Amino acid sequence: GAVVSQHPSWVICKSGTSVKIECRSLDFQATTMFWYRQFPKQSLMLMATSNEGSKATYEQGVEKDKFLINHASLTLSTLTVTSAHPEDSSFYICSAVNWGGSGEQYFGPGTRLTVT
Amino acid sequence: AQKITQTQPGMFVQEKEAVTLDCTYDTSDQSYGLFWYKQPSSGEMIFLIYQGSYDEQNATEGRYSLNFQKARKSANLVISASQLGDSAMYFCAMREDGGSNYKLTFGKGTLLTVNP
Repeated sequence: GAVVSQHPSWVICKSGTSVKIECRSLDFQATTMFWYRQFPKQSLMLMATSNEGSKATYEQGVEKDKFLINHASLTLSTLTVTSAHPEDSSFYICSAVNWGGSGEQYFGPGTRLTVT
Repeated sequence: AQKITQTQPGMFVQEKEAVTLDCTYDTSDQSYGLFWYKQPSSGEMIFLIYQGSYDEQNATEGRYSLNFQKARKSANLVISASQLGDSAMYFCAMREDGGSNYKLTFGKGTLLTVNP
């Protein structure tokens, strides 16, 4: 099956700093990637749709200036949490759409962010 | 109204027995896809099974089968011969193909515990 990686798998940062999370499709080209956020014992909440070569589409209520998304290549999307606050602590998961298949989404292993 | 409803926050099953996890959905699209994912405590989202709205037969993948009842808008997951390793969170998700971005909408999940 298709493989999606995320880096880092976990990160601790101080309030006010920025942190970048990478999502890579390793064996297919992904023109579309998605970023999700998951709080403990809750479901995945879609934050934004990342399209290669164009601006990301953010879901209602998600601050685009706080969660910067860049999809500069067919295999890489990055999520930057700017001026992080403790309430940004969460599990962030990306997925990539394999259009060469049947449009299935393949998920990365997730990044656990803790803001102190 | 919720698009995906999972009414069982938690389920228990004895090892080697079968278990059914419920999922109902709401959509006005004619073309859509239904997915089940498993999320163990490590956090990765593992794809289990897919059912297309036009598929006439219920999907099966090894010990997983999807009981698709289109008129009732239900897509229950059946796990046969449960194993201890099946203990995890299970999410039902829907992709509405009327849009072009293939977003997934997730239910709240069911925590399955397999007892020895």
